[in-house]
Amino acid sequence: GESVGLHLPTLSVQEGDNSIINCAYSNSASDYFIWYKQESGKGPQFIIDIRSNMDKRQGQRVTVLLNKTVKHLSLQIAATQPGDSAVYFCAENILGSARQLTFGSGTQLTVLP
Amino acid sequence: EAGVAQSPRYKIIEKRQSVAFWCNPISGHATLYWYQQILGQGPKLLIQFQNNGVVDDSQLPKDRFSAERLKGVDSTLKIQPAKLEDSAVYLCASSLVFGAGANVLTFGAGSRLTVL
Repeated sequence: GESVGLHLPTLSVQEGDNSIINCAYSNSASDYFIWYKQESGKGPQFIIDIRSNMDKRQGQRVTVLLNKTVKHLSLQIAATQPGDSAVYFCAENILGSARQLTFGSGTQLTVLP
Repeated sequence: EAGVAQSPRYKIIEKRQSVAFWCNPISGHATLYWYQQILGQGPKLLIQFQNNGVVDDSQLPKDRFSAERLKGVDSTLKIQPAKLEDSAVYLCASSLVFGAGANVLTFGAGSRLTVL
């Protein structure tokens, strides 16, 4: 069935290093993707989104890359900080549809001092 | 602007008891969602409202779960009777217009339910 999955459940990086979180999706019709960050005890918080007509989108310290050929997207965090420690979810949808937003299972990012 | 408000933050009940969660979305947001997030998993949609009408409740266990949004603003999610597997965080989210599409969902902090 449809799924949005992550390659690694946990990721540990040194403070100051760059982080890369990967996500695979299976629905080739999906054309809109979002990354959410969820800190302990809080709800998911929007980080960045990308539409399928783009391959790359940059935000503040974050970059999302989309490879539609292999149905893969990644979230890159530059100069990772302790405050970046959280679970990161990718989610996908089809613009203009009533289809629900589908979340992956998440990657726990831990920033080491 | 104020965020999505949820209460209670924590609730512990025994199986077969009932529980209700409340959500107040961001002012002006027409669409409201209830998600269930089991520990270690991503959020799963339970029900989606557009104003006070249900858009999608296909994954809501209707034999025990119910939700309403009578005046198109606040919403309540009820579980009766609760089962052990209902232990989860119940997240409420809202968005400005219909459909998750390009309209970013804003989530509340969630209500953590523990069923003993």
